[in-house]
Parts: sequence; structure tokens; C-alpha cells
Amino acid sequence: LAKTTQPISMDSYEGQEVNITCSHNNIATNDYITWYQQFPSQGPRFIIQGYKTKVTNEVASLFIPADRKSSTLSLPRVSLSDTAVYYCLVGDNVGNAGNMLTFGGGTRLMVKP
Amino acid sequence: DSGVTQTPKHLITATGQRVTLRCSPRSGDLSVYWYQQSLDQGLQFLIQYYNGEERAKGNILERFSAQQFPDLHSELNLSSLELGDSALYFCASRGQGGGYTFGSGTRLTVV
Repeated sequence: LAKTTQPISMDSYEGQEVNITCSHNNIATNDYITWYQQFPSQGPRFIIQGYKTKVTNEVASLFIPADRKSSTLSLPRVSLSDTAVYYCLVGDNVGNAGNMLTFGGGTRLMVKP
Repeated sequence: DSGVTQTPKHLITATGQRVTLRCSPRSGDLSVYWYQQSLDQGLQFLIQYYNGEERAKGNILERFSAQQFPDLHSELNLSSLELGDSALYFCASRGQGGGYTFGSGTRLTVV
């Protein structure tokens, strides 16, 4: 599994756009990039997944450059409720493979009023 | 509700005891993953099952074991419990493609 590197923590203010970048230099051809959000004492929640270029859903956008060695999760107009730990994971997209969902340290986002 | 059900939500037990945590995956998902998360720590992968078969093993202690039953629910058995086993235990399931869906976890406290 490709190793990922993220900032340990980030601070922002309500209403701002937050961009969290993840480095994954040894990403494999079959690997997808997935981001999860975790609140204290809750299980991680899927936010967005992508393979290349840009993916957007109702909560976030994911930007992936052509070399796919990094990705950026963009949260538009954050609110206090977006305070959480955000994990970037890289791995294949096949459910029956012997893949391990290895979480790195994640990025602890603190949104201030 | 994520569709992944974990029971019990909370468990308090004494050192040396044995407990069983249960997970029912999202309907249609064949893969089940178990994770341990100690206080303010990251998620540590323990073990994966796919359609009843063990597929991958992570940092799972010999005192811990798991299985997946024909109805696809899974159980994680923790024995000879130690204080350091106190943690949140999460189960996740996954179908073909897409992300992983996590349950709300079981909080184990060993006293």
C-alpha cells in the first residue's frame, strides 16, 4: 500500500475554504485516493474518492494532478462542525483483495469561530 | 446509520477476561475489516475477512482472533484482556469498488 504524508494539523475560520494536501509518491497504477473524516469516538466517514483530475460531490472536491503523486481535499466554506481528523488513503478499489486499509496519522482540522 | 452494525456499543470488563465483539456488514458487502483505535491514536488494522475467509492480517495479537460466518457477520474475540487493550474497536465493510463503510464502534474498557 502506498504510504501517505499529510500535515498533522491545520487551523481555519468559519466560512473559509480549507485545502488539505496529501503526498503519495509511490502510488500504484491501480490505486485510488480516498478521503475520510473522523469525529471523536466515531468511525471514519467516507468523504470522496478519485483516480485522476478532479472529483466533486456535495461536501468536497478532490484535486489530483497528472502525476498522481499528491492530492488535495478542498472543503468549501467550513463550519465549526467540520472540526475533525481527515485521513487520506491510497489503495486499490477491489473489495475482495487482501488489501489493508492502513491509516496514517491524519490531519486534525480545527475550525474557529 | 452507516449500514454497518456493531454490538455492543460499550463494554467494561476486568483484566484476564474474554469478550466478543460483533459486526454486521452493510447489506451486500462481503469484506469485513477490524480496527483498533486507542485514545488519541490512529486506527490500527487488525484483520480482514472476505466471504468467510481470512484475507489479510495486520497488527493483531495472538490473544485476539476473529471469524466471519456464512451470514457474513463477523466476531472479534479478545482474550486474556489487559489494561492496554482498552480502546475503540471499529468494523468496516466494503463491496466491489467504492469506499469503506465504518460502524460506530465498540468502546472496550478493561479495568
